[in-house]
Amino acid sequence: GAVVSQHPSWVICKSGTSVKIECRSLDFQATTMFWYRQFPKQSLMLMATSNEGSKATYEQGVEKDKFLINHASLTLSTLTVTSAHPEDSSFYICSASGGKNYGYTFGSGTRLTVV
Amino acid sequence: QQQVKQSPQSLIVQKGGISIINCAYENTAFDYFPWYQQFPGKGPALLIAIRPDVSEKKEGRFTISFNKSAKQFSLHIMDSQPGDSATYFCAASYGQNFVFGPGTRLSVLP
Repeated sequence: GAVVSQHPSWVICKSGTSVKIECRSLDFQATTMFWYRQFPKQSLMLMATSNEGSKATYEQGVEKDKFLINHASLTLSTLTVTSAHPEDSSFYICSASGGKNYGYTFGSGTRLTVV
Repeated sequence: QQQVKQSPQSLIVQKGGISIINCAYENTAFDYFPWYQQFPGKGPALLIAIRPDVSEKKEGRFTISFNKSAKQFSLHIMDSQPGDSATYFCAASYGQNFVFGPGTRLSVLP
């Protein structure tokens, strides 16, 4: 139990385009999902917290107009990187609260490369 | 107060040895302390977790020791194997507040 599926696992896009990343809780309902960004050899940096049916709460310094988060259902949250630039290249990871793990289950991550 | 400190930053252990990673926190509101294992290019996977009402939890070769008064907790990996080579993150949480340590890169030499 407590499986979170993240898709795609990697994506390459051109500068100026938008990319959508999906995060699904497969066997539990996740009222809260979290989006992280991780740079090489560094820890996870929380970008935003999303609660189903409400607006996401962004961490300080994260541009909400650039990183659009939607949590329309109890099993799906999406992160859209709008007008991507090379500096947005990173490893993005979602996690969901709920399931058998008290706490958080993480997705497998998405490697975004903007060229 | 939200910070979780973790040491060492990197660790090299011989196969069969014991790997020990330490974490410390300040906020006494934290009530859940998980450890995550992350392989390159993958998301973190929950390894083992502990609540502050117990001082030790063991699952297979992995043991968490928890010292509530010192606000410290540690991960012990017994009989370390090359397959344990990964980055390990401690974390602390309460409610929706979830804080990761900076991570420890463990290398187990064959």
